[in-house]
Amino acid sequence: EEQLLESGGDFVQPGGSLTLSCAASGFTFSRFPMSWVRQAPGKGLEWVSLISTNTVSTYFADSVKGRFSMSRDNARNTLYLQMNGLRVDDTAVYFCAKRGAGPYGMDVWGQGTTVTVSS
Amino acid sequence: QSVLTQPPSASGTPGQRVTISCSGTSSNIGSNPVNWYYHLPGTAPKLLIHSNSQRPSGVPDRFSASKSGTSASLAISGLQSQDEGDYYCAAWDDSLSGYVFGPGTKVSV
Repeated sequence: EEQLLESGGDFVQPGGSLTLSCAASGFTFSRFPMSWVRQAPGKGLEWVSLISTNTVSTYFADSVKGRFSMSRDNARNTLYLQMNGLRVDDTAVYFCAKRGAGPYGMDVWGQGTTVTVSS
Repeated sequence: QSVLTQPPSASGTPGQRVTISCSGTSSNIGSNPVNWYYHLPGTAPKLLIHSNSQRPSGVPDRFSASKSGTSASLAISGLQSQDEGDYYCAAWDDSLSGYVFGPGTKVSV
């Protein structure tokens, strides 16, 4: 069974940093682009970032550009989201997702990890 | 403010058909495939439709979707109580170089 498991969510003060991890299993991780998506309290889904299979290309939402970075370790089947300069409006549940259906469809999702940014 | 537009809510009685619209622009829906997701807060989102109208395995054929120009729609036929939740359209946006979700439509049965 294809699975994704996020970890690393925590309570952090504004301006702080945090790294989220996403462990993949049940599929050939290195073959698929991966994304992070978040949902702030009471809000809809917001795409955060995308990384290509070979890590050459990364894309970010304007709301996190310059503050967040994304990486992957294909040998460890793990995806990362490095978040710096955290703001209160970064508070959200963060999901990792596999882009494995058609050109852009995200067909496998984790259960999410919660990031709370507050003073 | 999302670049994709969806109605905030839709409702129907069991067995009815409900349609959700999604409007975009030439840089997103007009030039890239549309995907539809279902989400119940507190759970993992689920892909319902990819590539405008393709259902992943396991998604009932009660769910169908189409795209025309810069608009798309999702139809749920034979509405069931377990269909309640939030439905999102999404597409890659060439101008933003990013993936965009619609604001979501809450379906009530």
